[in-house]
Amino acid sequence: EAGVVQSPRYKIIEKKQPVAFWCNPISGHNTLYWYLQNLGQGPELLIRYENEEAVDDSQLPKDRFSAERLKGVDSTLKIQPAELGDSAVYLCASRTATGELFFGEGSRLTVL
Amino acid sequence: GQNIDQPTEMTATEGAIVQINCTYQTSGFNGLFWYQQHAGEAPTFLSYNVLDGLEEKGRFSSFLSRSKGYSYLLLKELQMKDSASYLCAVRDSNYQLIWGAGTKLIIKP
Repeated sequence: EAGVVQSPRYKIIEKKQPVAFWCNPISGHNTLYWYLQNLGQGPELLIRYENEEAVDDSQLPKDRFSAERLKGVDSTLKIQPAELGDSAVYLCASRTATGELFFGEGSRLTVL
Repeated sequence: GQNIDQPTEMTATEGAIVQINCTYQTSGFNGLFWYQQHAGEAPTFLSYNVLDGLEEKGRFSSFLSRSKGYSYLLLKELQMKDSASYLCAVRDSNYQLIWGAGTKLIIKP
């Protein structure tokens, strides 16, 4: 069975440019998470979806970040415009009914 | 109507570079995907583009121009195992995935 797929794995952009990250969760997992992780720190939740509904986006910087999961399957996280402080690893995870999280390999963003 | 156009078949030499083109006409656009499919197996994800430009992933790169309705998949340093069909798919405004017929890539020694 395929795991959580994320793309791209690495992205280097200049500040003020847009960037998009894609996540395809494990089939059947209704809950999808986007996290941000800085070096040496734990993951920080950006947004959580239950099917297509964003049930927790309180930590999402909505002035520049947006996310969608229109059909309740895959999801796109966009940053526009990117700032230097956005450099981090963006992790996507999906969750089983029993609560176990499966993470994708992450998308490492470097903003120059 | 909606359609995805890509060449039916291409042949390339081991170690070389090949570019597989895809043009699309769809009702809206919500991302373009490239998948690889070996004979008798399920498609496997290669790349996703939603913004214009080039996405690089090892030996594979995918480019998108939304204004031109055009994408290409670039494969470098071709290996025999790259012989497969390469499928282009576009997600339209209804979030439906429209698939191309695939390009069969034949790698020769």
